[in-house]
Amino acid sequence: QKEVEQNSGPLSVPEGAIASLNCTYSDRGSQSFFWYRQYSGKSPELIMSIYSNGDKEDGRFTAQLNKASQYVSLLIRDSQPSDSATYLCAVTGTASKLTFGTGTRLQVTL
Amino acid sequence: DVKVTQSSRYLVKRTGEKVFLECVQDMDHENMFWYRQDPGLGLRLIYFSYDVKMKEKGDIPEGYSVSREKKERFSLILESASTNQTSMYLCASKPGGSYGLFFGPGTRLTVL
Repeated sequence: QKEVEQNSGPLSVPEGAIASLNCTYSDRGSQSFFWYRQYSGKSPELIMSIYSNGDKEDGRFTAQLNKASQYVSLLIRDSQPSDSATYLCAVTGTASKLTFGTGTRLQVTL
Repeated sequence: DVKVTQSSRYLVKRTGEKVFLECVQDMDHENMFWYRQDPGLGLRLIYFSYDVKMKEKGDIPEGYSVSREKKERFSLILESASTNQTSMYLCASKPGGSYGLFFGPGTRLTVL
């Protein structure tokens, strides 16, 4: 079992729709959770961090964390073509080690 | 804004050459990291440093070494470049505590 798992996609959503990106992790003691956006040929950019159960909103982005289910998600409302990118989930485990998933590719279609 | 810079965006080297990749951050972050990113394999940690002159091996340190003589600068060294080290190399930094990483723009290294 991978430490951090994401569906590689591509996830295709129409412009204006909600994109839902999901991530599961195996270390039950994980404390910190991050979402990165990576455009093709560019480096990852930190877009959201979440540390406690529940939702955290920042503009069109909402991160959701459920530690009991070991699940973290990212919702993107009113998806735009400029949101087309690969989204990486990263989790800090009990050994303070940050582990990345391999990413989900999102395509927002016109 | 945090700024992490890397010395080159693209680099082409020959097998057996010694390669230096430089990274500088301007936010006084304690922690600095070197990753490589390959299709299908994701981000893999090579080395990290939590203080000047301190270094820790990551998941794939073989064939690499690092140097951190100043807080703002973290160098990755490929002692004898090989073709399987062709990759995108990403430097990152973060402050102490539970914060995310801030990445530099990356260096795409090709070893011929």
